[in-house]
Amino acid sequence: NAGVTQTPKFQVLKTGQSMTLQCAQDMNHEYMSWYRQDPGMGLRLIHYSVGAGITDQGEVPNGYNVSRSTTEDFPLRLLSAAPSQTSVYFCASSPRRTSHYGYTFGSGTRLTVV
Amino acid sequence: GENVEQHPSTLSVQEGDSAVIKCTYSDSASNYFPWYKQELGKRPQLIIDIRSNVGEKKDQRIAVTLNKTAKHFSLHITETQPEDSAVYFCAASIDGTGGFKTIFGAGTRLFVKA
Repeated sequence: NAGVTQTPKFQVLKTGQSMTLQCAQDMNHEYMSWYRQDPGMGLRLIHYSVGAGITDQGEVPNGYNVSRSTTEDFPLRLLSAAPSQTSVYFCASSPRRTSHYGYTFGSGTRLTVV
Repeated sequence: GENVEQHPSTLSVQEGDSAVIKCTYSDSASNYFPWYKQELGKRPQLIIDIRSNVGEKKDQRIAVTLNKTAKHFSLHITETQPEDSAVYFCAASIDGTGGFKTIFGAGTRLFVKA
C-alpha cells in the first residue's frame, strides 16, 4: 500500500492563478481531510469528507473548494491564489467517519504564491 | 467551535530527563485526543491517543493523561533521547452528524540535548 499520496510536492503560483492539489489513498478509508500548516499555528482544517459525494467545511474553508467523486481521491482546488495561501498543505485520511482512529498523513505540498 | 491550546511552544531538556507537554480544550463534547510527532520536513505521525472514557494510557516511554473535568490532557516522555527531538502536536476530535472534526494545538518544539 502506498498510503496517502499527494502531488505535487512543490508548487509556485502567481497571484490570481488557480490550481488543484491532488490527494489519493489506497487504504479504503472512509474519511479524508485537508489541512494547512503555517509556522506557529499548527494544522488548521480546511475541508473534510466522510464519503463519495459528501464534503463539509473546516476552520478555514474560504478560497478553497473540494469534491469527492470516489473513495480514493480528494482534490483541493485553489480558485484564485493569494499570497495568504502560501503554506504547506497536508491531506489526511482515517478509516471511519467517527473519530478514535487517528490520521494517516500524506507527505505534503509546499505552495508559494507570489 | 473547539479551541485547543498547547504549552510550552518550545521545550529543551537534557538527554535522559522527562518532558511534559500540556494541552487544554474548550468543547466538552470532544471525545478523542491524539498526539502527533513531526520531524523536520516530514509528515505528522500518530504516536499515541486516548479516548474520553480513559484517564491514562502508556506505551513504553510515552504516556498520556486526560482530565475531562478540567479539560486538560498531557503528553509525558520519559528517558528522552536525541531522536525524540521534533515538533509535537496535540489534538481534540469531536464527532458530528456529518463526520468528525479534529482541531490541533499550535505545537511544541522539543529539543533533546545529548
